[in-house]
Order: sequence, then structure tokens, then C-alpha cells
Amino acid sequence: EDKVVQSPLSLVVHEGDTVTLNCSYEVTNFRSLLWYKQEKKAPTFLFMLTSSGIEKKSGRLSSILDKKELFSILNITATQTGDSAVYLCAVVANNNDMRFGAGTRLTVKP
Amino acid sequence: SAVISQKPSRDICQRGTSLTIQCQVDSQVTMMFWYRQQPGQSLTLIATANQGSEATYESGFVIDKFPISRPNLTFSTLTVSNMSPEDSSIYLCSVGTPNSGNTIYFGEGSWLTVV
Repeated sequence: EDKVVQSPLSLVVHEGDTVTLNCSYEVTNFRSLLWYKQEKKAPTFLFMLTSSGIEKKSGRLSSILDKKELFSILNITATQTGDSAVYLCAVVANNNDMRFGAGTRLTVKP
Repeated sequence: SAVISQKPSRDICQRGTSLTIQCQVDSQVTMMFWYRQQPGQSLTLIATANQGSEATYESGFVIDKFPISRPNLTFSTLTVSNMSPEDSSIYLCSVGTPNSGNTIYFGEGSWLTVV
């Protein structure tokens, strides 16, 4: 059965810290992996990864995919209180099936 | 990206009633999806709304409980029927946009509380 596992489930850091969020997956006919940030209701799109080893970067956030080891990481450097959110990893299969992980709840304290 | 409008954004519903959630997209999209996110949990796909045909439901979800309409390429509705407190959840509409590499975008969600 396809599954997406995120770790840790929750994380508390202080402003300025660097965090690494993990997402491992087992999906038949993998097509892409997506990262979302969810603060209140709707998740907002961060990155889509389709190829191994190519880092996607946006400001203090970056992400990379390893299709051989079946995982992705999301890095946030110099964290700010505004980074506090649930970060969701989702994997899309070739048949457009999309499966979400349980999310990592990040709390950044001032 | 796509701009997705959902309404209502929030509602309190009586047990046994039904509520229809609307999802409007600012462009024509092939794929529209409905998700549920129960408190403290991740998103679960309810169904894929297909234009011109019946929706495709995931395991554990049935048409009688969650009827879906998709009359055109920019609009869909999800009805939550005969609601119980267990249906209290955020319901999210999302769309896939091939021009963005099939990235999935989400509406703001509809937060339903059943009392």
C-alpha cells in the first residue's frame, strides 16, 4: 500500500535555528513530490520535486529529492516565528493519485 | 497558479442536515479534487470531480453521503449529507493545473462544525 511518512511529527525551535523536515515514501509509479505549508486552513504550495539531486530553493527554504532512497527533505534556515506551521509532504503517482503525509508541526519560539 | 474561491468559509450545522460547499476557479481546469481534513489530521482525498461524468470516490467515501457536481470546467460542489458530529472538518477544494506541471492548488477551505 502506498504511504508517505513524515518526521518528526512536531518540532519546537528558537528563532534563528535551522530545521530539517523529512519525508519518506513508498508509492507505485511515482511522478512527483510536493511540499506545502499549512498555517490556518488551506495548504500553500512550496515546492514540487520530480528529479533526484536537484535542489529547489526559495529564500530561506530549500528542498531536495532522493528517488533512490525514496525520501525528501525540507530545510528552513534562520527560522522566524512566521515559519510556525504544519508542513505537509505529498506524493503524486502517474495516475494522479495524491497521498499526503501526516505533517510536521513546526513551532518557532522568539 | 489558479485562484480558487470556496464558500462558505465556515458554518455551524445541525445534526441531520446537509450542506453544499461551492468551489469556483478562475480558469478552466481538468482536475478538481475534494479533500477532508479532520482536526489534527492530514488531508484525505474524498473524490475526484470529473466534468461531464460522475465523481470518482476514494475508499471509505460514498456518493450518497458526499454527492458532487461538476457542471463545467471552472465549478464544482460538494454536499455533506445527513451530517453528524464526525463530519466536523475542514473541506478543501483543489485543482491540478497541467501548465504548472500538475501542481495542486487549494482553496481556502470550508470549516464545518456539526452540533
